[in-house]
Parts: sequence; C-alpha cells; structure tokens
Amino acid sequence: DADVTQTPRNRITKTGKRIMLECSQTKGHDRMYWYRQDPGLGLRLIYYSFDVKDINKGEISDGYSVSRQAQAKFSLSLESAIPNQTALYFCATSGGGRGSYNEQFFGPGTRLTVL
Amino acid sequence: KNEVEQSPQNLTAQEGEFITINCSYSVGISALHWLQQHPGGGIVSLFMLSSGKKKHGRLIATINIQEKHSSLHITASHPRDSAVYICAVATTSGTYKYIFGTGTRLKVLA
Repeated sequence: DADVTQTPRNRITKTGKRIMLECSQTKGHDRMYWYRQDPGLGLRLIYYSFDVKDINKGEISDGYSVSRQAQAKFSLSLESAIPNQTALYFCATSGGGRGSYNEQFFGPGTRLTVL
Repeated sequence: KNEVEQSPQNLTAQEGEFITINCSYSVGISALHWLQQHPGGGIVSLFMLSSGKKKHGRLIATINIQEKHSSLHITASHPRDSAVYICAVATTSGTYKYIFGTGTRLKVLA
C-alpha cells in the first residue's frame, strides 16, 4: 500500500462549489504539505503543518484552507472554487523536528478541474 | 530570475546515451532534492544531497555548494527514463522554505 494517499485522484467541479481534497499518510511523519502544480511552473506551497496544532500559510494560500484532523490526515479545502484553481495538487510528508530539513515524500496527486 | 533554474527545459535522447540535467540556485541551502515525475503525474524521490555525490543504479547526482550547482546524470539511458526531472532546494532562511525548479522534460527514444 502507498505511504501517502490522496483522494480523490481526479475531480471536475463547477465554479462556486466547495471542494475538499484529502491526504492520509502511514509514514508516521509530523510534517505535511499541500502544493499545487501548474504547467510551466514549479510546485508551489499552499499550506504546511509541522504538527496537529501548527498550521502555516505557504506562498499561495489565498482561496484555500486546511485542516489537520490527526497526525496522519491533512485536508485542503477550496471554499468557492474558481477556474484558475484548476491544477494538479500534491500532498507531501516529511519527518524531523522544527528547524531541520528532511526528505519529502509525495502522494500521487489530485487533478482538479474547475469549469 | 527564478531562484532555482534548471536546464535544459526539454531534452530528447536516443536509447543508450549519457544524459546530464543541470540545476543552479541562487539562495543558501541546507539540501538539494532531485525528483522524478512520471507521465501519470506521480512524484518519486531520487536523491537528497547536501554535498559531494550520490549514485543509485544508472543515476548519479552531484552538487557543488561553492558554485551553487547540481547535476543529475543518467548513464545508458532507456525509454523508461522518460519523465520530468525536478530539482528542489531547502533554503537556510526562515523556518521553512522549499523551492522547486520548473523541471526538465526528458524523452528517450528506442
């Protein structure tokens, strides 16, 4: 079984709808991240969490919110989806304490299309 | 100018060729990460390095901290190596920041 899973894998929705993307991990990592990938651009950080009570905005958090329900679960929500949020979304995890850097492990991605 | 630059952006090679993908960065880093993104979209970690050289099978990654440059080499390339290769750096500034290059799209022809 995959260590980092994302659901759904593909989603088509309409402008104005609320969407939730879910991420689960079995690696026992404290740190979790949400990124989006657009053609021609590198992955960009939306939100990250160092533990259940520690959630931080990334470089492109506007229009998104997150919830860290447990160490293993980190959800990304689009309260009112808009077409320019059409992208490939990745969840990632890493171990290590605050201030240290550790290798990140990525989920399979969620392809979201907003019409 | 992007803080992490990769070259080339696109690369087509014949099976068996030696391939080099380059990554240059302009920020202080604690580590550099090479990733492979398959045509289906999934991202796999290849190497994480902060100095020197690492080798895994036909893949070799090197980093020169003074020159702020890293290379990923593929020896005896194969069509299954066709993918997007992404360089990412973990910076030393702030509590956390991880910057990605835009990727190098590699196609290996049989």
